[in-house]
Amino acid sequence: DGGITQSPKYLFRKEGQNVTLSCEQNLNHDAMYWYRQDPGQGLRLIYYSQIVNDFQKGDIAEGYSVSREKKESFPLTVTSAQKNPTAFYLCASSISAARETQYFGPGTRLLVL
Amino acid sequence: AQSVSQHNHHVILSEAASLELGCNYSYGGTVNLFWYVQYPGQHLQLLLKYFSGDPLVKGIKGFEAEFIKSKFSFNLRKPSVQWSDTAEYFCAADLGAGSYQLTFGKGTKLSVIP
Repeated sequence: DGGITQSPKYLFRKEGQNVTLSCEQNLNHDAMYWYRQDPGQGLRLIYYSQIVNDFQKGDIAEGYSVSREKKESFPLTVTSAQKNPTAFYLCASSISAARETQYFGPGTRLLVL
Repeated sequence: AQSVSQHNHHVILSEAASLELGCNYSYGGTVNLFWYVQYPGQHLQLLLKYFSGDPLVKGIKGFEAEFIKSKFSFNLRKPSVQWSDTAEYFCAADLGAGSYQLTFGKGTKLSVIP
């Protein structure tokens, strides 16, 4: 089955700790995205990547980092600099970055202990 | 700043009632518009989209939306809702050529009472 997988489903972070969220797609899509979803806030873009080895900051990139070494993978690291990391994180992909439908993964819920 | 607004935070309807969820965007240029739905415990999935052409677009599960350029609106409609339509609905827009970003509204939670 083609699709987007995110792991883990739930992730717990201690204060001062970096954590990495996984996102993998087998849709052969060039573009990938990370969003943060908070209750009543909708989705806000953290980072996006149009192609391998390239990525750009979205609206709320502070405290996050990404890499795109492979077409199918776009991991997100939530660093200790992110002061309010508790949220639901969604990964998405699209055929290209140019005005295409985005397809979403199941999400990872990050909780700070 | 460019933005997408959804007017209702929470809508409660009885089964068979008609639905209209409002969505407005602020951008004067060409836009692509989307409605996504998030059923409880499921992935965010595409309901319908408008890129160009007929401003009345039909999506899955009997939903439709009308793009009215003069009103900067893209309202979602369904003539008769079912309990299974209970979900959160998000309007999104690609605001600006080459923006490579979707801007989402804050979402509308729909509760359908059997």
